Amino acid sequence: GGIITQTPKFLIGQEGQKLTLKCQQNFNHDTMYWYRQDSGKGLRLIYYSITENDLQKGDLSEGYDASREKKSSFSLTVTSAQKNEMAVFLCASSIRGEEQYFGPGTRLTVL
Amino acid sequence: GDSVTQKEGLVTLTEGLPVMLNCTYQTIYSNAFLFWYVHYLNESPRLLLKSSTDNKRTEHQGFHATLHKSSSSFHLQKSSAQLSDSALYYCALSDKYYGNEKITFGAGTKLTIKP
Repeated sequence: GGIITQTPKFLIGQEGQKLTLKCQQNFNHDTMYWYRQDSGKGLRLIYYSITENDLQKGDLSEGYDASREKKSSFSLTVTSAQKNEMAVFLCASSIRGEEQYFGPGTRLTVL
Repeated sequence: GDSVTQKEGLVTLTEGLPVMLNCTYQTIYSNAFLFWYVHYLNESPRLLLKSSTDNKRTEHQGFHATLHKSSSSFHLQKSSAQLSDSALYYCALSDKYYGNEKITFGAGTKLTIKP
């Protein structure tokens, strides 16, 4: 078995601030994903990466940057936090196109 | 591009009644994989069912679904709802085309089971 860890669990930021979320997996999966979950809108893909140093934009990439410097880690940066923004960011990993394993999430609040 | 439609955003049922959550999809690829993920409160989403075989019933934890490529559907069913089934359910699609490893999720259906 394996595990996905996300840090931090809770992230509180100020409007305009750059914020970074981190994800680590020990499944040895090639593909990693970042999703945003908003109430009533399901899971929306922000970025994904099929291998180390690869980045692919999802449907919601504007306002975000991502980095995959190692196979086991995938970080996401909110480039400029929006006031009153609240969402859960979920990291996942998989073998190509197969079942995704999710982390526990990072809950973002912007004041 | 690929798309997944879950018509019902909220479903509320009484315990013991049958469950059916709808999922339809669109893709240009013939080798579609369909998934149902379940997301319980305060837990991570996890896989409930998956299938790529046309007209074959797939079962897990009392739930079942059959992929029907002719109607592009993969509805989730259970014969008798339990209180513990209350959760958010996502239908998802992967076409497994090399280089396109994106999985497309539906908007989700929040299922609430009442006593």
